[in-house]
This record gives sequence, structure tokens and C-alpha cells, in this order.
Amino acid sequence: DAGITQSPRHKVTETGTPVTLRCHQTENHRYMYWYRQDPGHGLRLIHYSYGVKDTDKGEVSDGYSVSRSKTEDFLLTLESATSSQTSVYFCAISRSETKNIQYFGAGTRLSVL
Amino acid sequence: DQQVKQNSPSLSVQEGRISILNCDYTNSMFDYFLWYKKYPAEGPTFLISISSIKDKNEDGRFTVFLNKSAKHLSLHIVPSQPGDSAVYFCAASARYGGSQGNLIFGKGTKLSVKP
Repeated sequence: DAGITQSPRHKVTETGTPVTLRCHQTENHRYMYWYRQDPGHGLRLIHYSYGVKDTDKGEVSDGYSVSRSKTEDFLLTLESATSSQTSVYFCAISRSETKNIQYFGAGTRLSVL
Repeated sequence: DQQVKQNSPSLSVQEGRISILNCDYTNSMFDYFLWYKKYPAEGPTFLISISSIKDKNEDGRFTVFLNKSAKHLSLHIVPSQPGDSAVYFCAASARYGGSQGNLIFGKGTKLSVKP
């Protein structure tokens, strides 16, 4: 157990509404990540953080923003959800500065109607 | 362009036999490789990794082989068990100046182990 909690686990929302997903860790790790998983695409990095208030874009960051005001929480926001953002979202942490072994949360299944 | 490729979307194996999952990469800067296992409705679970300074790493029934000249790695599961049925993701990273690089994932291979 990597001490990662994602909330909510499931969410259904309508196009155009804002959505925030939360990732909470209990182990005080520096690196945190947000991925989305879609059929035929594997896992794709949306944003990542290397410390409080330090974030950067990943491969598929358009339409997403993140915030990290505390070490333990990493928030992913969809400012105006679109149907193309229907996906399963995973948060991950990395325990080591040198070995990029990432440990994942259980995921949030988001449906945008 | 895909930097990490898993060309077999699925693989079916009989219980007790060997499962071999393959992964190819294109970026010669990758120096650390990982395999993850994912069950439905769960997050990916780290399985095994290998550094580019090695060509083999073993952990119980799982062995990863790395062929740098061919830019190819494979995961061997021996013997395969029904509980190994899952989607397996290959991932790679390139470290720059000692700091970790982000993981690039393949699209996954769904392994089915039949009793």
C-alpha cells in the first residue's frame, strides 16, 4: 500500500462543468503525478509536481490544471469538462529521487456526458 | 510517435507454461525500465525493473531481460498462474543529470492464463 487515496472514485458530470479530482498521500513524498488511461493509449502523463507549488506539464496537459499547496495533496482540475476527458484518472507518487518507480492510487473513473 | 511499444495487445498462455511479454523502445536515452501489472478497477502495481547497466533482473517467477542493442526488453513469467491474468504495461525513463525522468508507458498487453 503506497498510502495514496484518490477521491472521488467515480464521478459523472456534464459538459462544461468544472471538476476537481484529489490525490492525497500519507508518506510525504516529493514527486506526484496525474495520468489518464484510455483504451488503446496506455497511461499518459497529464501533469506532475516535484514539490509544493512546483508543477509542470506532461504529454496531455491541455484542458487540465493542477495545484499543490501542501505536500500531501495534489489536485487535478478540469476547468470546463468535455466528453473527450471521459477517462480513468490515476495519481502516482515516487518514493525515490533516483529511481523512478511510481506507485499508483486506485483511480477515479470520470464520465462527462 | 510512440517511444515505447508493446506490439501484442493480448497473449493467452496455459497455466504452468511460460509467458513472454515483449516491449520495444526507440529513445536511446532511456536508462531505466519497468513493468507494471494492472487488474480491472485497480491502479497499476509495480512488478519489476531493470537499469540499463544490467541485462537481466530476476524476482521470483518474474524475470526481465534487456537487449540494449536491439532496444528491446521482455518479461518472462515462469510458471504462469491464473492470478497472473492482467494487463501488463512496460515503461521507460531517461534520467538527466542524476534527476529522475518521467515514465513513458506502452499501451499494454492483456495476459490471459488459462487453467
